[in-house]
Amino acid sequence: GNSVTQMEGPVTLSEEAFLTINCTYTATGYPSLFWYVQYPGEGLQLLLKATKADDKGSNKGFEATYRKETTSFHLEKGSVQVSDSAVYFCALRSQGGSEKLVFGKGTKLTVNP
Amino acid sequence: EAQVTQNPRYLITVTGKKLTVTCSQNMNHEYMSWYRQDPGLGLRQIYYSMNVEVTDKGDVPEGYKVSRKEKRNFPLILESPSPNQTSLYFCASKDNRQSNEQYFGPGTRLTVT
Repeated sequence: GNSVTQMEGPVTLSEEAFLTINCTYTATGYPSLFWYVQYPGEGLQLLLKATKADDKGSNKGFEATYRKETTSFHLEKGSVQVSDSAVYFCALRSQGGSEKLVFGKGTKLTVNP
Repeated sequence: EAQVTQNPRYLITVTGKKLTVTCSQNMNHEYMSWYRQDPGLGLRQIYYSMNVEVTDKGDVPEGYKVSRKEKRNFPLILESPSPNQTSLYFCASKDNRQSNEQYFGPGTRLTVT
C-alpha cells in the first residue's frame, strides 16, 4: 500500500541555520505530494505541494522537489526562524478510492534564537 | 472567513459514555474526513464522506460512527468510548474528491478514562 517515511525528530536548530527534513514515499502511479505544518495547539495547514514529477513546491521560504526517480520530497529552507518551530508532516494523496491523505509520522522542529 | 470548526476542543469522559464531536465547514465542500493523531503514528483516517449521505470507512474505523445529513456537518460519534480512543482528532474538508488542498479544523483532544 501507499506509505510515507520521514526522518525522525526532534530536530533542533539555531536561527538562520539550514533545514532539511527528508521524506520518501511508496505509492503506485503518480501521487500528489504535500508538506503540512502544525503549529502548537493548532490544526494542520498546507505548506506546499507538488502534483507531478520534477515539480517544485515553495512557500514561506520552504521548498521541496518531487523526485520520481528517488521517490522523495525533501523539505528545505535556507535560513530558519524561531517562528518556524512546529511539527512538519509529509503526505501523499492516494489515487482512486478514498483519495485520502497518507501522512508520515511528523518531524518536530525547534528553532532556538 | 473560510474555516473548519470542531466542538468541543477538549473532552474528558469515562469508558462507555456515548459522545459526539461535531465538525462544520463553511466552504461548501463536498469531501470531509476525520483523522486521529497519535504520537509516533502520524495521522490516520477514520472515516470520510464524498458528499451528503455518502460515507465510507478509512483506515481505523472501529469504534466510530459518522453521519452526513447536511453538506456542512460531519459529526463523529463514539457510541461506547474506550481508553484506546484517547487521541487528538481532526476534521478536514476539501472541495471535492480530486482536490489537493485539504483544510483542517483545530482539533479535539479526547481523553477516555
